[in-house]
Amino acid sequence: KNQVEQSPQSLIILEGKNCTLQCNYTVSPFSNLRWYKQDTGRGPVSLTIMTFSENTKSNGRYTATLDADTKQSSLHITASQLSDSASYICVVTRKGGNAGNMLTFGGGTRLMVKP
Amino acid sequence: GAGVSQTPSNKVTEKGKYVELRCDPISGHTALYWYRQSLGQGPEFLIYFQGTGAADDSGLPNDRFFAVRPEGSVSTLKIQRTERGDSAVYLCASSFSGGDREQFFGPGTRLTVL
Repeated sequence: KNQVEQSPQSLIILEGKNCTLQCNYTVSPFSNLRWYKQDTGRGPVSLTIMTFSENTKSNGRYTATLDADTKQSSLHITASQLSDSASYICVVTRKGGNAGNMLTFGGGTRLMVKP
Repeated sequence: GAGVSQTPSNKVTEKGKYVELRCDPISGHTALYWYRQSLGQGPEFLIYFQGTGAADDSGLPNDRFFAVRPEGSVSTLKIQRTERGDSAVYLCASSFSGGDREQFFGPGTRLTVL
């Protein structure tokens, strides 16, 4: 069964601190993995996309890693800001076909950054 | 605007009523998706359009849910005889051509069934 599990479910950190969010998946065949940021009351916005051959990718203060062998990914946020408070969703895309349910979403990690 | 838009942003209705939720995708995107997101969970797939046709409606929970995209752009998700369990955020996304291309999400419609 295609699944994406994220941890922790929620996290509170102080402004300026770093944090790491985890994502484990069992989706196969694998096409790519994206981390989305979803602000309260808004739709998800893509932060990074990683394909099978990529180990790490950065987008500003966000750095994603991918270990395709262990089927694990992480999102590291450096020097957190209050605006980082949001839900972070790991989404894995299956390869091939043109079905609508090619994306498998994790349940998200709700991050709160406090001053 | 350049992004996906959805209306209304909030909809409160009574059990048993009919509701329509609208999605305006990014211009030129042929693929359009509807998802449902419950509090604290990731989105769940409902239906996927490629152009005007529903290419995959396997995520619709029952026959009270229906969606159309008559001209291949704007889509309407229709829910008949609403139930309290239908309360959720309904997200729409579009992509250039479907498949594994990036999906761009709208802000969602928060539906509350009393």
